[in-house]
Amino acid sequence: GAGVSQTPSNKVTEKGKYVELRCDPISGHTALYWYRQSLGQGPEFLIYFQGTGAADDSGLPNDRFFAVRPEGSVSTLKIQRTERGDSAVYLCASSNNGAGGVSDTQYFGPGTRLTVL
Amino acid sequence: DQQVKQNSPSLSVQEGRISILNCDYTNSMFDYFLWYKKYPAEGPTFLISISSIKDKNEDGRFTVFLNKSAKHLSLHIVPSQPGDSAVYFCAAGGAGNMLTFGGGTRLMVKP
Repeated sequence: GAGVSQTPSNKVTEKGKYVELRCDPISGHTALYWYRQSLGQGPEFLIYFQGTGAADDSGLPNDRFFAVRPEGSVSTLKIQRTERGDSAVYLCASSNNGAGGVSDTQYFGPGTRLTVL
Repeated sequence: DQQVKQNSPSLSVQEGRISILNCDYTNSMFDYFLWYKKYPAEGPTFLISISSIKDKNEDGRFTVFLNKSAKHLSLHIVPSQPGDSAVYFCAAGGAGNMLTFGGGTRLMVKP
């Protein structure tokens, strides 16, 4: 595909349930990022992968959140025991090589809107 | 403490005029900055970026200015078009790979 894709586009779940959100990065991009955007705010960093490994997970709010990227391409963000405060748009981005800087632009997917009832 | 701030939540401009969106930051370790545009139900779309070694970068109707001493950057859109109506986010990056975003400014360009 031409851009970053995310599935599902919308997810409604009940408090306490487990959810998985999927991200398919731009083909060939080695770096992948997850952000969370709450209503009326800018995206907030959650975790960054370089290849298969999580290079920086300092943004994950607690141990209910976990992400994997087993083959260095598709990534899954997993949320256990969901809470109403987890409701937000979860955005995934990818960049060419993770070197950072203006030559390593992060391109975003359309996001998954998670609603926890 | 917000490290990147966009103090104007909204801005209304007449078509054909200049739109100026502002962004302030506090962390002097940021060394590159980006502007993203976001339509409803879509992800942020990259617009333009600037390295801290520059004070200006231009791409068509979009120009970003960086004032490092004031820790301030701005995005100029000229001439503004109705299709530019969206939420604009500034973002900053530093030694790590994460981006730190401002809260966004909603731009409305009136025909």
